[in-house]
Amino acid sequence: GNSVTQMEGPVTLSEEAFLTINCTYTATGYPSLFWYVQYPGEGLQLLLKATKADDKGSNKGFEATYRKETTSFHLEKGSVQVSDSAVYFCALSPTGYSSASKIIFGSGTRLSIRP
Amino acid sequence: ETGVTQTPRHLVMGMTNKKSLKCEQHLGHNAMYWYKQSAKKPLELMFVYSLEERVENNSVPSRFSPECPNSSHLFLHLHTLQPEDSALYLCASSQVGGPSEQYFGPGTRLTVT
Repeated sequence: GNSVTQMEGPVTLSEEAFLTINCTYTATGYPSLFWYVQYPGEGLQLLLKATKADDKGSNKGFEATYRKETTSFHLEKGSVQVSDSAVYFCALSPTGYSSASKIIFGSGTRLSIRP
Repeated sequence: ETGVTQTPRHLVMGMTNKKSLKCEQHLGHNAMYWYKQSAKKPLELMFVYSLEERVENNSVPSRFSPECPNSSHLFLHLHTLQPEDSALYLCASSQVGGPSEQYFGPGTRLTVT
């Protein structure tokens, strides 16, 4: 079946540190891959996406590359800020759905950035 | 208004009350979703509507009753809830046949006393 596994948190870093949050997936075919972010007291926001192998999604300094060979979609940022403190969700949408979309979410990784 | 809005943002209700959560999307989408987010649990998909028809109901207790009167509006009617139903309820929307990403509202924080 389809599933997403991401590193457990919480992850605590100092401001300007390098961030990696690991995400691997299991799916048949070529799913679309996403990172969503949830700031305190808010809903989930789409951070970035990639729809095919070797695509790189990027937004707000965050990047993730769709690696088919390792079934991974790790989130990276070169220099984090206090405002990046949030919960990050890796997710996939399987191929083959012609009706409403189906998204499988990981369990989320809480990120805290110290000033 | 832009994006996906939800009202109310916070709701406290007793176990014998009846209340409704409202979601409205301003994105021109035609699929809508209800999710439940509880502390220390994965995001749970509750209901899916595509073109105003319910296409998925993931074993949700009958005390939760969804309604989708048109492609822009989605309701979740609540009655005789239990304390374990306290959670953040998130609404999302997407475009049938379009990109598969979903766009979320800010959620309703529900507390059942």
